[in-house]
Amino acid sequence: EDKVVQSPLSLVVHEGDTVTLNCSYEVTNFRSLLWYKQEKKAPTFLFMLTSSGIEKKSGRLSSILDKKELFSILNITATQTGDSAIYLCAVGYGGSQGNLIFGKGTKLSVKP
Amino acid sequence: SQTIHQWPATLVQPVGSPLSLECTVEGTSNPNLYWYRQAAGRGLQLLFYSVGIGQISSEVPQNLSASRPQDRQFILSSKKLLLSDSGFYLCAWGRQSSGNTIYFGEGSWLTVV
Repeated sequence: EDKVVQSPLSLVVHEGDTVTLNCSYEVTNFRSLLWYKQEKKAPTFLFMLTSSGIEKKSGRLSSILDKKELFSILNITATQTGDSAIYLCAVGYGGSQGNLIFGKGTKLSVKP
Repeated sequence: SQTIHQWPATLVQPVGSPLSLECTVEGTSNPNLYWYRQAAGRGLQLLFYSVGIGQISSEVPQNLSASRPQDRQFILSSKKLLLSDSGFYLCAWGRQSSGNTIYFGEGSWLTVV
């Protein structure tokens, strides 16, 4: 059965800390891995990764994919209270339908 | 730019009552459209997706149904709600040319009482 597993499930840090969120997967016909940030409502898109070893960066956030070991990490440096959210990992598979399997998410709480 | 809207944002419905959630996308044509449900402690679950008008694929058997009467309109319905239908429902869109990246609407909180 296809699955996406995120760890840890929750994490509490202080402002300024660096955090690493993990996502491992077992998905047939893998196409891409995506990260989303979900605050109070809808998830917002962060990154899409399709190739191993190529880091994607956006400000203090960065992510990398390892297709051999079947995992991805999302790093957040110099965390701020506004980074508090649930971070979702999703793996895309199949054809052009854009189907995704989501992990359960990592809840990040950043304390001032 | 593209935008997606869904409504209502929240609703409380009695068991056995009907449901209609609506979603529209602006700024693009022929999008892929999706309905997801997010229940507490569980990941996002794909309910339906559509690659074109009148084309609906169901991922999970349930008492919900979906319809796509227009290119950029996607509707989630039920004739008789169950308590287990409570949850956070998200509409999303994506381009067939951009692989798996999808963008979500604001979400609808449904409480069945």
